[in-house]
Parts: sequence; C-alpha cells; structure tokens
Amino acid sequence: DGGITQSPKYLFRKEGQNVTLSCEQNLNHDAMYWYRQDPGQGLRLIYYSQIVNDFQKGDIAEGYSVSREKKESFPLTVTSAQKNPTAFYLCASSMTVLETQYFGPGTRLLVL
Amino acid sequence: KQEVTQIPAALSVPEGENLVLNCSFTDSAIYNLQWFRQDPGKGLTSLLLIQSSQREQTSGRLNASLDKSSGRSTLYIAASQPGDSATYLCAVADNAGNMLTFGGGTRLMVKP
Repeated sequence: DGGITQSPKYLFRKEGQNVTLSCEQNLNHDAMYWYRQDPGQGLRLIYYSQIVNDFQKGDIAEGYSVSREKKESFPLTVTSAQKNPTAFYLCASSMTVLETQYFGPGTRLLVL
Repeated sequence: KQEVTQIPAALSVPEGENLVLNCSFTDSAIYNLQWFRQDPGKGLTSLLLIQSSQREQTSGRLNASLDKSSGRSTLYIAASQPGDSATYLCAVADNAGNMLTFGGGTRLMVKP
C-alpha cells in the first residue's frame, strides 16, 4: 500500500517538553512538507524539504525543527520554544516541489 | 506576501443543488492553484489542479476555473450530494512552485 503515514494520531505534550511527530512516505517522492492547521483555518507551512539532507523554513518555523536523513522520512520536532503548539499537524509529499502534494492523515497535538 | 481568501466560510444547501465556492488571491504571479477536500479530523485530498496557463479543469461533477488577472478561482459542484459535505480548501503555489499558500476553507454541508 503506497502512501503517507503519520504517527501518532494524538500526542500530548507537557510543559517544557520536546516532542517529535513522525512522517513516512513510500511514494518515492523527493519533496516533503510540514503544515500546521488551527481550528477553522487553512494550513500554514512550517518547513519543507526538496531533497534528502536539505530543508527550508516556511512561514512559521520558529519553535520547530526538522531533519531529512532519509528520503522516506521527515520527522518534525516541536520544541519547548513553541509556546502555542496545540494544533493539527499535516505532513505532505510530492514528486518534486512543482507537482501535486499528497497529504498524510495528520497528528493532533495537545498540551497537558 | 500572498494572501488567499475563501468566501463563504460556511455553506449549507439541500441535496441536488448546484453550488459555487469562491477563492481569491492577492498576487497573480502564481505557478498553479489547487482545490482540496478535507473531511473532519483527516488529511487533505487533492481534487483539481489548474496550471497558471490554464483557464479551467474538470473532474466528474467538479469544475474549477482560474482567472489570474483578477486573482480569482471558483469551484463549481454540480448536483450536490450529502457525501460532498466537507471543508474545501484552495491553495496557490508561488511562481517558483515551492510553497503553497492556503485559504481558510469553506465548510460545506449538503442536507438530504
């Protein structure tokens, strides 16, 4: 089954804690993306990666970090510096940055 | 900076009606425009992608048009069905095709 998987579906963060959201794709896509969605709003780009070992900041990168050590994987870390992390996080991938993006099912992050 | 607006924010129609969702954007220098569907608590599914050189795209009961000069796109849904109930998001890619800017979405409810 080809597609994008995100885990976990729900994640709880304690004050001052870093948490990592997983995103894996087996579509052989070069480009991967992380978006944040707040209730009733559209998506905002956090980070994107055009190719392995490369990534660029999006509109709201502060308080987040990423890595792209493997083509299939693009994990997102929400650091303690992100003061308002409660949101729905969506990962996407595309063959190249010029082509249609395919989205994962999302991870909902909640703060305890 | 590109801004994307979708009107209305919510729409409720009886089954069988034809309807139009609107999307406007401030910077006409776009690479393409996409319409997505999002079911509650789920990821996004791409419906239609219109390249900047195209005027419209059709898929089944869906038709999307693009007028770059006026910064507008419409999504036309013919003979609406309860299964069409979802949030519809439009997104524009910048001229380099790197980044998508999303509108806030239109939440559609089709009543049986």
